[in-house]
Parts: sequence; structure tokens; C-alpha cells
Amino acid sequence: EDQVTQSPEALRLQEGESSSLNCSYTVSGLRGLFWYRQDPGKGPEFLFTLYSAGEEKEKERLKATLTKKESFLHITAPKPEDSATYLCAVQAGSSASKIIFGSGTRLSIRP
Amino acid sequence: DGGITQSPKYLFRKEGQNVTLSCEQNLNHDAMYWYRQDPGQGLRLIYYSQIVNDFQKGDIAEGYSVSREKKESFPLTVTSAQKNPTAFYLCATRGGSGAGAPQHFGDGTRLSIL
Repeated sequence: EDQVTQSPEALRLQEGESSSLNCSYTVSGLRGLFWYRQDPGKGPEFLFTLYSAGEEKEKERLKATLTKKESFLHITAPKPEDSATYLCAVQAGSSASKIIFGSGTRLSIRP
Repeated sequence: DGGITQSPKYLFRKEGQNVTLSCEQNLNHDAMYWYRQDPGQGLRLIYYSQIVNDFQKGDIAEGYSVSREKKESFPLTVTSAQKNPTAFYLCATRGGSGAGAPQHFGDGTRLSIL
């Protein structure tokens, strides 16, 4: 069964304290892995797409990496405005409906 | 401004009542989706549509119905058959059919039971 698991469920960091969020997946025929940021009461905002193992993408303090079994979202020197829920999703196979979401990591950055 | 508009932001449903959530987009995207989000859970797919006048059930379609009469609009009706409708509902669009085209989301409708 196709599955996406994110860990940890919640993470509290001090401002400037770097860390990583994990997204592990079990799918057949990975077509793309997506990272989104979601603020409370809002819809998810697209961050990155990764296509193949070894690929990396960066945006400001965020860097996403991909292996054959998992993806990491590295947050370097985070600021309080980085506080949000980060969602990972995977597109499997060729069907437009096969986009499977993880349950997210709630990230809180203390000033 | 290009985007996805969901309305209303908050909605209350009485027992036995059907309610309709609106989703309008001006991104000219072919594919549109409805998801349900419950606390501590990932997004679960209710219905999706890849083209006007065509739509498919997702993983949790029971108690819901949709229509796609126009490219810009994909309304979701929560029927009285949906016994646990309290949730945050998200509409999304997707441009392009290739691998890796991301979804774009509206800001959601929060539905509660009166």
C-alpha cells in the first residue's frame, strides 16, 4: 500500500537552531515529491518538487533533499516566521489522483 | 490577481441539511480537487476532476457530491448522508499533466455542525 509518513509530528526550536524534518515514503513509481508550507487557517503553499534521488532544491533557509526512500527538509538558522506546518506529498504512477499526503510536521520557532 | 477562491470561509450545517462549498479559479487549470483535512491527519481526497463535465471519486467520496459545468468552478455539496462533516475543506487546482506539476490550494472552508 502506498504510504507517506512524516516525522516528527511536532518540533520546537530556538531561533537560529537548525534541524531537519523527515518524509519517508513507500510508493510504486514515484513521479514527484512535493513539500508545502501551511499556516493556521490557510491552504498549503507550494515550496518544492523533487523528482529523483540525489536531487536538492533550496529556497531561503529551506533545503529539500531526496533519496529512494525518504526526503528531508533542512531548516538552517530558522526565524519565528518559519513557524508553520510542513506537509510532504508524493505523486505515484501516472494517475492524477495519486497524490498522497503525509500528516505534516508542526514547526514552532521560539524567539 | 490569479488564484483560487473558496467561500464561505466558515459554514455551519444543521442536522439533515445539505450545504454547498464554492471553489472558483482563474488560473486556467484543467484539474481541480477537493480534500478534507482533519486535525493530525493528512489531506484526504474526496473528488477530483480533470476536465469539464467529468469527475472521479477519491478515497472518501461517500456523503459528498460535485459538479464541473465550467472550467473555473468545482462546487462541493456535503449531503446529510455525511455523518461526520466537521472538518477543514480545501480545494486545489493543478496545471499540466506531467509528473511533478504541483497543486495550488485555496484558503479553505471550515465546516461545523450546529
